[in-house]
Amino acid sequence: EIVLTQSPATLSLSPGERATLSCRASQSVGRHLAWHQQKPGQAPRLLIYDASARATGIPARFSGSGSGTDFTLTISSLEPEDFAVYYCQQRSSWPITFGQGTRLEIE
Amino acid sequence: EVQLLESGGDLVQPGGSLRLSCAGSGFSFSTFAMSWVRQAPGKGLEWVSSISGSGDTTNYADSVRGRFTISRDNFRDTLYLQMDSLRAEDTAMYYCMKGCGGSCYRLDDWGQGVLVTVSS
Repeated sequence: EIVLTQSPATLSLSPGERATLSCRASQSVGRHLAWHQQKPGQAPRLLIYDASARATGIPARFSGSGSGTDFTLTISSLEPEDFAVYYCQQRSSWPITFGQGTRLEIE
Repeated sequence: EVQLLESGGDLVQPGGSLRLSCAGSGFSFSTFAMSWVRQAPGKGLEWVSSISGSGDTTNYADSVRGRFTISRDNFRDTLYLQMDSLRAEDTAMYYCMKGCGGSCYRLDDWGQGVLVTVSS
């Protein structure tokens, strides 16, 4: 099973700042990595797939990068609605696995 | 617009059974792989099971293999999850998800979720 480790566990920033979230895989997943956002009381939604492709309707301030074992989600300038939990997820091999999540909170 | 509407969640006793359904609309249901993902209260996301668009191929998490069965009815555009021998640790919100093709298991679209509670 591929283990995804996200860091940091919690990130405290202010609106307008840049956020950088990391996801490291225990073995290569190629570019088969996605990022999902979950707000309190809501279902998650897909932000980024295949490491760097934005899902439909996702603002350009969200970007993904990386390949192999190291991946980054960057939010260029935080909006109030971006404070949420972010999960990375791989589909390179079964079982599909998720990281434990990074909570992005308002400082 | 893709819509995924789950139903069937309930309170069930340990050892009991439950069947979840997910009605898909806004896309050609039979041409997309589908999956179930769950989230225990206050916890992270856990993949449960996936099925190909044709229904010929299924995959399961070790935690549910032998107890849960994923299936689909492509005439009714509906995905199912039959859950047997339920345990307290199966308590979670269950989400239905659409893939990116018949054998493409990317988790593209999320349903709103349905709550399953296993308790005596």
